[in-house]
Amino acid sequence: KAGVTQTPRYLIKTRGQQVTLSCSPISGHRSVSWYQQTPGQGLQFLFEYFSETQRNKGNFPGRFSGRQFSNSRSEMNVSTLELGDSALYLCASSLLLAGDRGDTQYFGPGTRLTVL
Amino acid sequence: GESVGLHLPTLSVQEGDNSIINCAYSNSASDYFIWYKQESGKGPQFIIDIRSNMDKRQGQRVTVLLNKTVKHLSLQIAATQPGDSAVYFCAEFTVYGGATNKLIFGTGTLLAVQP
Repeated sequence: KAGVTQTPRYLIKTRGQQVTLSCSPISGHRSVSWYQQTPGQGLQFLFEYFSETQRNKGNFPGRFSGRQFSNSRSEMNVSTLELGDSALYLCASSLLLAGDRGDTQYFGPGTRLTVL
Repeated sequence: GESVGLHLPTLSVQEGDNSIINCAYSNSASDYFIWYKQESGKGPQFIIDIRSNMDKRQGQRVTVLLNKTVKHLSLQIAATQPGDSAVYFCAEFTVYGGATNKLIFGTGTLLAVQP
C-alpha cells in the first residue's frame, strides 16, 4: 500500500505571497492532519480533517486554512506569507480520527517551505 | 501553536549499547502515548504506543515504559544500531473537552549512534 504523499517537496516563496500544499493520504484513510515543524517550536498541530470536515484546529492564525476532498486528499493554504512561516509542513493520515485509541497517524515526507 | 520545550537534547551511544530516551508529558488526563522516529529528510515514523492503563509495552528491540505518577515516558532501544540514529518524539493524546482532541508532540531527542 502506498504511503502518504505530499507535493511539492520543496517550495520557495516571498513574503506576502500565498501557497497551497497538497497531501494524498494512504488509501482508505479518512483523516488527514497537518503539522508545522520548525527547529524552535518543534511539531505543532495545525488542523485535522475527517470526511471533508475540519474536526480539530490548533492555535494558528486564520492565514492558515485547509480543506479535504471527497477522495480524502487534502490541501492546506497559507496566505500573506511571513518569514516565520518557513518550516517543514507535514501531513499525516489515519483511518479514524487522529489520536483515537488504537489508531495511528502515518506521516508523509513533508513539504519544505522557505519564505524569503 | 502548542509545543513542549525549545532545544533538542542529544543522546550519544555506542553501537550495541542500549539507549533510553525520556519524555515528560504535561496532561495527567492523557490516555494514549506514542513514540515516533524521524530520520533526516523524512516524516515521523510510528514506533510503538502505549495506553495509560499499561506501564510497559514491548516491541521489536524497543520497550516503552509509562510512569503516570511522575508523568514520565521512556523508550528503550536494545542493541542500538547506526540505523537507529534519528530524532525521537513522544506524543500524548490530550482531551480538551468536547470533540477537540489532538496529539501533542514533545520537542524530540536526537539519538546519535557512534560506531
